Amino acid sequence: SYELTQPPSVSVSPGQTASITCSGDKLGDKFVSWYQQKPGQSPLVVIYQDRKRPSGIPERFSGSNSGNTATLTISGTQAMDEADYYCQAWDTGTVVFGGGAKLTVL
Amino acid sequence: QVTLKESGPVLVKPTETLTLTCTVSGFSLSNARMGVSWIRQPPGKALEWLAHIFSNDEKSYSTSLKSRLTISKDTSKSHVVLSMTNMDPVDTATYSCARIHGYTNGYFDYWGQGTLVTVSS
Repeated sequence: SYELTQPPSVSVSPGQTASITCSGDKLGDKFVSWYQQKPGQSPLVVIYQDRKRPSGIPERFSGSNSGNTATLTISGTQAMDEADYYCQAWDTGTVVFGGGAKLTVL
Repeated sequence: QVTLKESGPVLVKPTETLTLTCTVSGFSLSNARMGVSWIRQPPGKALEWLAHIFSNDEKSYSTSLKSRLTISKDTSKSHVVLSMTNMDPVDTATYSCARIHGYTNGYFDYWGQGTLVTVSS
């Protein structure tokens, strides 16, 4: 079955750029979405179709996808961005989530 | 305003069948290019997709759990129902439903709050 691999944790200093990767075989051929999940809350989509931002999501969130790797980039990271981030893609009509990456802002 | 709300038992015994209902509002289950998925998350662990159903009644299941899952919908009641047989303590998780926007390349734009299901004797 298809797998998406994320680093378990990413650390960033406030105001700096955070990059969270998601790897999978020929992932660039698929659309990737990214979800932010804070403790006790439901996931929130921050990027869909590789690079599109839903309304209400700050411009500091951006995405890219090429080859075997998709990347979520958070520019000017704020303390409020500390959360778990999950990538998601479709494979033969089924949904796959990555294992999640915990973003720590310190 | 789109909302999804899960309901069902909070505690089930091992070997029992779990039945959960997702009640949606603000959109119709007959809307083209939209569907509803069930997704679970064990405490402290990652999201795991379980199943989805679309307006045309197209269904799909997690490969690893396919033999235990059944998803259905009642458009008139705005319900999407998930059944999972032979529950085990490892199935303890928060079970959530989410709307799929964009068919089988889409994304989850609205989520329910989730319901914690504990499997224990």
